Amino acid sequence: DADVTQTPRNRITKTGKRIMLECSQTKGHDRMYWYRQDPGLGLRLIYYSFDVKDINKGEISDGYSVSRQAQAKFSLSLESAIPNQTALYFCATSAENTEAFFGQGTRLTVV
Amino acid sequence: GDSVTQMEGPVTLSEEAFLTINCTYTATGYPSLFWYVQYPGEGLQLLLKATKADDKGSNKGFEATYRKETTSFHLEKGSVQVSDSAVYFCALGHTGARKGGSEKLVFGKGTKLTVNP
Repeated sequence: DADVTQTPRNRITKTGKRIMLECSQTKGHDRMYWYRQDPGLGLRLIYYSFDVKDINKGEISDGYSVSRQAQAKFSLSLESAIPNQTALYFCATSAENTEAFFGQGTRLTVV
Repeated sequence: GDSVTQMEGPVTLSEEAFLTINCTYTATGYPSLFWYVQYPGEGLQLLLKATKADDKGSNKGFEATYRKETTSFHLEKGSVQVSDSAVYFCALGHTGARKGGSEKLVFGKGTKLTVNP
């Protein structure tokens, strides 16, 4: 089983719909992150959480919200999806003195 | 703010050729530096890292040296293989008083490498 699991792996949704991307990790790490990847732009940080009660905005948080339901679970929501949120989304986890471990990504298309 | 600039691709090489992917950074303090690799259809995996100046990270024949004087962390491999075809990301992370961590990674835009037989 993967250390970081994202669901769904692929999703097509309509403009204006609410959608949730889920992430769970079995590493036992306290830190979790959501990034989006766009061609030619690399990965950009949406939100990050250092523990269940510590959630912070990243550089591109507008239009997104998150929930840290437990140490191992961190979900990303798009309250009202728009086409420019079409991207590849990655969840990651880390602990002090470790590198980040990434999930396999969720490819989201907003039509 | 912090930023990472890496060589834009795509880069196409023949098998056994020498590879260099340039990476420079701008950051306050003393960040840790990383190279991540993304194989087709997969997430990112750590390739190598360096946590302080003059450290050399190495893995799978790849190397990169943390050069504070030139704010660089160039990735090199002496003889690439077809299996090295992937997208490579340079990244930096601030750990505050902690060492080795990678909270709030800042990524470069990625360099796509294709190695032909």
